[in-house]
Amino acid sequence: AQSVTQLDSQVPVFEEAPVELRCNYSSSVSVYLFWYVQYPNQGLQLLLKYLSGSTLVKGINGFEAEFNKSQTSFHLRKPSVHISDTAEYFCAVSDRSARQLTFGSGTQLTVLP
Amino acid sequence: DADVTQTPRNRITKTGKRIMLECSQTKGHDRMYWYRQDPGLGLRLIYYSFDVKDINKGEISDGYSVSRQAQAKFSLSLESAIPNQTALYFCATSDLPGNQPQHFGDGTRLSIL
Repeated sequence: AQSVTQLDSQVPVFEEAPVELRCNYSSSVSVYLFWYVQYPNQGLQLLLKYLSGSTLVKGINGFEAEFNKSQTSFHLRKPSVHISDTAEYFCAVSDRSARQLTFGSGTQLTVLP
Repeated sequence: DADVTQTPRNRITKTGKRIMLECSQTKGHDRMYWYRQDPGLGLRLIYYSFDVKDINKGEISDGYSVSRQAQAKFSLSLESAIPNQTALYFCATSDLPGNQPQHFGDGTRLSIL
């Protein structure tokens, strides 16, 4: 079985500042990794995914994440945030033979003017 | 029109009532999912379906049932609702490798009194 820990439940940051949302996972086998974003009163959107290949993954809206196997991490970064990035962000992991995905508890990103 | 449509968007009902939440999609995906979201717990999988004839329990299926009426339709039922089933429910579809949701509906907020 796998598990996901999102280390920060809330991250406030000023507009145009960089941001990193942290995610660590545990699994005894190779994994797929995902970040989803949830805007207020909406469903989740897939932001980016790591399936294989390059460990630096680029997603929508200028976000990127780096898979670090030795540290079992998949942190999400953006060099300059906008007010419109205010949302809840979920990290998720699936092992490659699993029939379901495990979500973290979420990080609320609030971008301040 | 939304790719994944959930009805109703909001529902308040009483303990013991039977409730059906409906989901329809225009993505043409074979895989469909039902999740519930509770504050601080992320999303948890209730049921998933690989196609019309393949339905599987997720991690929290007790108290729920589903029906896959067609490729595009996947409904979730609570046979006898109880207050701890009060939550935000999401339907999702996918054609990603593995078994991960890709496109979500906007959710159904269900309150059971």
